Amino acid sequence: SAVISQKPSRDICQRGTSLTIQCQVDSQVTMMFWYRQQPGQSLTLIATANQGSEATYESGFVIDKFPISRPNLTFSTLTVSNMSPEDSSIYLCSVVEGSGEQYFGPGTRLTVT
Amino acid sequence: AQSVTQLDSQVPVFEEAPVELRCNYSSSVSVYLFWYVQYPNQGLQLLLKYLSGSTLVESINGFEAEFNKSQTSFHLRKPSVHISDTAEYFCAVRDLDTGGFKTIFGAGTRLFVKA
Repeated sequence: SAVISQKPSRDICQRGTSLTIQCQVDSQVTMMFWYRQQPGQSLTLIATANQGSEATYESGFVIDKFPISRPNLTFSTLTVSNMSPEDSSIYLCSVVEGSGEQYFGPGTRLTVT
Repeated sequence: AQSVTQLDSQVPVFEEAPVELRCNYSSSVSVYLFWYVQYPNQGLQLLLKYLSGSTLVESINGFEAEFNKSQTSFHLRKPSVHISDTAEYFCAVRDLDTGGFKTIFGAGTRLFVKA
């Protein structure tokens, strides 16, 4: 199974600033995703990170707010821009392997003050 | 669009009692089904999955789930729970007909095992 790491593991940020979260996978994967888990809630898909092209965003999420990079098959970044307290959440990187199994990174716990 | 319903937000149960966590999804011809577990202050872990084949799938720690296509359900069961099973459990569905590789999660069920 893929091993996924994320940096930072947690951060406290001031409103109006931006934070870039890194996701590193120990193997090459085609399908990579970014999810958000707000306090006490389930996971919501933000976008699919496509290698070599723009990310595909879900309804309610836009590129200006959550720009994503995917420079190669093992790495992606998610930026949370112009943060507000409502962005306080756990952000999770995820991959789907060829077998169909999906794995998640440990998450980045973001608190916006 | 595909949706997942976990009928119980919280399930309190005594240790060594049986438990069932219910999950229903929108109708679809081809789906992959998953249960994930999230222990307090930890990340999401894959508990078990149905991709094809036998409709009854099992995990290494005694949980099982049965894919029921006619009822569009994938309920999670364990005959005897332990204190250490206390966690949040998420049912998830990947709709192969329309959703590609996107996985939709239910709202979660908090299992609380009491001594």
